[in-house]
Amino acid sequence: SQKIEQNSEALNIQEGKTATLTCNYTNYSPAYLQWYRQDPGRGPVFLLLIRENEKEKRKERLKVTFDTTLKQSLFHITASQPADSATYLCALGAGGFKTIFGAGTRLFVKA
Amino acid sequence: GAVVSQHPSWVICKSGTSVKIECRSLDFQATTMFWYRQFPKQSLMLMATSNEGSKATYEQGVEKDKFLINHASLTLSTLTVTSAHPEDSSFYICSAKVHGTSGGGYYNEQFFGPGTRLTVL
Repeated sequence: SQKIEQNSEALNIQEGKTATLTCNYTNYSPAYLQWYRQDPGRGPVFLLLIRENEKEKRKERLKVTFDTTLKQSLFHITASQPADSATYLCALGAGGFKTIFGAGTRLFVKA
Repeated sequence: GAVVSQHPSWVICKSGTSVKIECRSLDFQATTMFWYRQFPKQSLMLMATSNEGSKATYEQGVEKDKFLINHASLTLSTLTVTSAHPEDSSFYICSAKVHGTSGGGYYNEQFFGPGTRLTVL
């Protein structure tokens, strides 16, 4: 069955360092992959979308890579700040209506 | 960016009562709206997909008579939890999607509401 795996353990890093989150998927060939940020008790907020024919995409301090051979996406936050602390969700889409979400990885950035 | 609102943001009700949650796209017309449920520390689970003017498509295991979805316009969808029980307590999130083509590319963006916390006593 289709599966999306994100590291269930929280990631703790020091302010100013680069945070790297991983999203792996199986039994799926997504046309695109998205990353969302979710704060406690709030709905997800869209961050970045990367298509299957793109290797890398950047937006300010964010960088996403997409390796369809490895079936993996990496999400980087450079010069991390305490305000970046949140849960980050990976989501896959196939061009239709459905989007499948991973369980998310909790990021804690310490000052 | 596009804004999606939900009302109420939280609700507490007695077991056996029905609860209606509204989802609105405030500054755009959503071709498709989705309803998700999320339990603590778990991923968003898609409950149903609805297109304006047609019946919702429910995911496997979701009771359509229990979770009534009405998508009367391009800016409003409602989810009614009928005869709610404590096990229905969860965080319900809607999203609205706009998709199409632009500049030779395909776009497919999904915008989420802030969520509704339902507690059934």
